[in-house]
Amino acid sequence: GENVEQHPSTLSVQEGDSAVIKCTYSDSASNYFPWYKQELGKRPQLIIDIRSNVGEKKDQRIAVTLNKTAKHFSLHITETQPEDSAVYFCAAYETGTASKLTFGTGTRLQVTL
Amino acid sequence: EAQVTQNPRYLITVTGKKLTVTCSQNMNHEYMSWYRQDPGLGLRQIYYSMNVEVTDKGDVPEGYKVSRKEKRNFPLILESPSPNQTSLYFCASSLSNGGEQYFGPGTRLTVT
Repeated sequence: GENVEQHPSTLSVQEGDSAVIKCTYSDSASNYFPWYKQELGKRPQLIIDIRSNVGEKKDQRIAVTLNKTAKHFSLHITETQPEDSAVYFCAAYETGTASKLTFGTGTRLQVTL
Repeated sequence: EAQVTQNPRYLITVTGKKLTVTCSQNMNHEYMSWYRQDPGLGLRQIYYSMNVEVTDKGDVPEGYKVSRKEKRNFPLILESPSPNQTSLYFCASSLSNGGEQYFGPGTRLTVT
């Protein structure tokens, strides 16, 4: 089955700095890679996703890059703000035959003033 | 309002006492799933359902059952709960296989 590894487990940055979270996956058939943000006490919510036919996707201060050959993808947050403080989860999914969404173990991002 | 609801939100029970956590979505989504969230382990999929009467095991199905008799409902059943099932549980739904997952508010279960 799919295995998703996520690093780092915790990340502290100063407001305005950039944050990068990295994930690797094991199943080369995976073709959909979403990122979810979970604020304290809240439910996870999708913030950005990328499909395997695209190498990079941006949405304002958030970007995701995908390297299919190396089987890794990364979340980039620029100009971090205190409201970016949360736990971020990457996930990998094979939309063909399998329907299991496998999550990474999460990264707790702390943006300090 | 489009949403996924779960009940109860909090539950404290004792070992061996059967319980059901309900999940309902009003978005006509085909795909539904259950996850448990534990510190350091992230979100792990318990069961998922592609459509009515179609369910399959996720990564941690032991000790759980599900059913999908109607499109909108996907209850999680613990026939004989044990302390290692103490966790935060999330139900989620998506329009299709590989689409954005909409999570419910979570159910915090404690088994003593």
